[in-house]
Amino acid sequence: DAGVIQSPRHEVTEMGQEVTLRCKPISGHNSLFWYRQTMMRGLELLIYFNNNVPIDDSGMPEDRFSAKMPNASFSTLKIQPSEPRDSAVYFCASLQGQGNTEAFFGQGTRLTVV
Amino acid sequence: GQQVMQIPQYQHVQEGEDFTTYCNSSTTLSNIQWYKQRPGGHPVFLIQLVKSGEVKKQKRLTFQFGEAKKNSSLHITATQTTDVGTYFCAVSGSARQLTFGSGTQLTVLP
Repeated sequence: DAGVIQSPRHEVTEMGQEVTLRCKPISGHNSLFWYRQTMMRGLELLIYFNNNVPIDDSGMPEDRFSAKMPNASFSTLKIQPSEPRDSAVYFCASLQGQGNTEAFFGQGTRLTVV
Repeated sequence: GQQVMQIPQYQHVQEGEDFTTYCNSSTTLSNIQWYKQRPGGHPVFLIQLVKSGEVKKQKRLTFQFGEAKKNSSLHITATQTTDVGTYFCAVSGSARQLTFGSGTQLTVLP
């Protein structure tokens, strides 16, 4: 397996634009997480899904953020409209579940909002 | 979700010196995991501890879980430049959500 795949790796966008980050979890993994990493706030859990169902989105900072998981092999994190303070590295991670709680992270998307 | 406090935030050591990072929780943890993130990279799983008082070793790395399951430590013996990175503890909740500590950024001076 190629691991967790995120795209794009880098994104530079202007304030006010819509940004969509994509994630393909490892096949067979039942849980998917979206994290945001900044120097100031560290690794923040934004939202997580179990079996494609959003379980807890209390970490999503504002209504401008939304996430979907239409099927077991794909998830998106959307920011609309984007703001400079959204600049961060966004990680997607998946884990198998069923007693195995090791999380596998994607390479991340470095988002810069100017 | 469960919260863990991790100290220190930064640690600079001379190559060959030892290094330790600590995670503490006010509540009993079901398990604790440790991850390493190299500069510019992504977190990579190192180990999971489940049992009270558990000690596990991976070459120069020693992981401990406290008797009360409220704290954990990662100790590196004789650091090398390849140990550079940020070390995170993480706790798994009832719904398998993973919450990370703030991390300890290790710098190893040659």
